Amino acid sequence: AQKITQTQPGMFVQEKEAVTLDCTYDTSDPSYGLFWYKQPSSGEMIFLIYQGSYDQQNATEGRYSLNFQKARKSANLVISASQLGDSAMYFCAMRVNPGYSSASKIIFGSGTRLSIRP
Amino acid sequence: NAGVMQNPRHLVRRRGQEARLRCSPMKGHSHVYWYRQLPEEGLKFMVYLQKENIIDESGMPKERFSAEFPKEGPSILRIQQVVRGDSAAYFCASSPRTSGSTDTQYFGPGTRLTVL
Repeated sequence: AQKITQTQPGMFVQEKEAVTLDCTYDTSDPSYGLFWYKQPSSGEMIFLIYQGSYDQQNATEGRYSLNFQKARKSANLVISASQLGDSAMYFCAMRVNPGYSSASKIIFGSGTRLSIRP
Repeated sequence: NAGVMQNPRHLVRRRGQEARLRCSPMKGHSHVYWYRQLPEEGLKFMVYLQKENIIDESGMPKERFSAEFPKEGPSILRIQQVVRGDSAAYFCASSPRTSGSTDTQYFGPGTRLTVL
């Protein structure tokens, strides 16, 4: 069965420090995609970063990078130089049965609430 | 280029009433997904639609819930005879048809349904 596990319900980090949010996944599908989304208190879901299962390099987007360890089935999000505006819920997610179409549902983890202290 | 639009943003219904949630995908996107988020939980997939077709409704409750994506107009998620347990945030997402893309789904702002 496909599953996403986020074991950190909440984290507190000092401003300007780097933070790693953990995510492990389980799938028997050889082709899959991994995502991170940010949900601030306003409620919208903001796409942060994507990693394909066949991508050779770890994905990076500005201050966000995805530490993809395929053998361990982990896809941790690293935020460098954290800012107060990074305080939010963060969801790890996996796309299943990708095929050639872009039509696949996404399975979400339970989320990690990140709080940045000034 | 407008993002995914959802309306209303907030909806209050009494038990037994009907709730209609609308979603307009991003321009050029032909795939629509609906997700439900209960308080303090992650999003749960409900249904995936293309124009005039339901492709995957494995996450939809068997009764009272229905979804459509007509040839013209927005996608509609309809909940009949709402109960308190239907109170949640309902998110719509869309993705483009283009193959070889990152297959990212872009989410709307959500509709927060409160059942009194």
